[in-house]
Amino acid sequence: GAVVSQHPSRVICKSGTSVKIECRSLDFQATTMFWYRQFPKQSLMLMATSNEGSKATYEQGVEKDKFLINHASLTLSTLTVTSAHPEDSSFYICSASGREGYQETQYFGPGTRLLVL
Amino acid sequence: QQQVKQSPQSLIVQKGGISIINCAYENTAFDYFPWYQQFPGKGPALLIAIRPDVSEKKEGRFTISFNKSAKQFSLHIMDSQPGDSATYFCAASIDQAGTALIFGKGTTLSVSS
Repeated sequence: GAVVSQHPSRVICKSGTSVKIECRSLDFQATTMFWYRQFPKQSLMLMATSNEGSKATYEQGVEKDKFLINHASLTLSTLTVTSAHPEDSSFYICSASGREGYQETQYFGPGTRLLVL
Repeated sequence: QQQVKQSPQSLIVQKGGISIINCAYENTAFDYFPWYQQFPGKGPALLIAIRPDVSEKKEGRFTISFNKSAKQFSLHIMDSQPGDSATYFCAASIDQAGTALIFGKGTTLSVSS
């Protein structure tokens, strides 16, 4: 099946620094990628929708200047958490829209655990 | 975002039993209803999905039942196994892949051996 990777799988950083998370579709082209955030024992909350070559669409309450999204190619989207603070610590998951046979669906990455000290 | 309500929050089932998780939605424009399985520290994995023109879909031990008039859908796991212990999320979207998924709050399933 379609594979989506994320890098890094976990990262620890100091408060005030920036962290970049990569999301790649390994065997298919994804015109649309999504970024979700998940707190412990909670559901996935959509942060933004990323379309290749255009600006991301952010959900209400998500600061676009803090969570920078770049979708430079059909296989790569990046999320940069700028000036990270402890409350940004979370599990960040991306998904990519792709087609497997006749079925088009969303495939999720393995997630990135961010801990801000 | 339109809400997708999922129940129960947690479920304990004996090995070999049937696990049933229910979801209800509000937005009649939703036309794609997937279920995802998530293990701790991992991303969600697509388990099975259904569209509103079908009332039931079965793949192996997993079955989705869909009631369009009641705006409800459920996941049935037959012959539940300890390896099925995970968190299950129902979701809905308007477009199968092009729009974001709205997730339920999740159900933590524990299958006792």
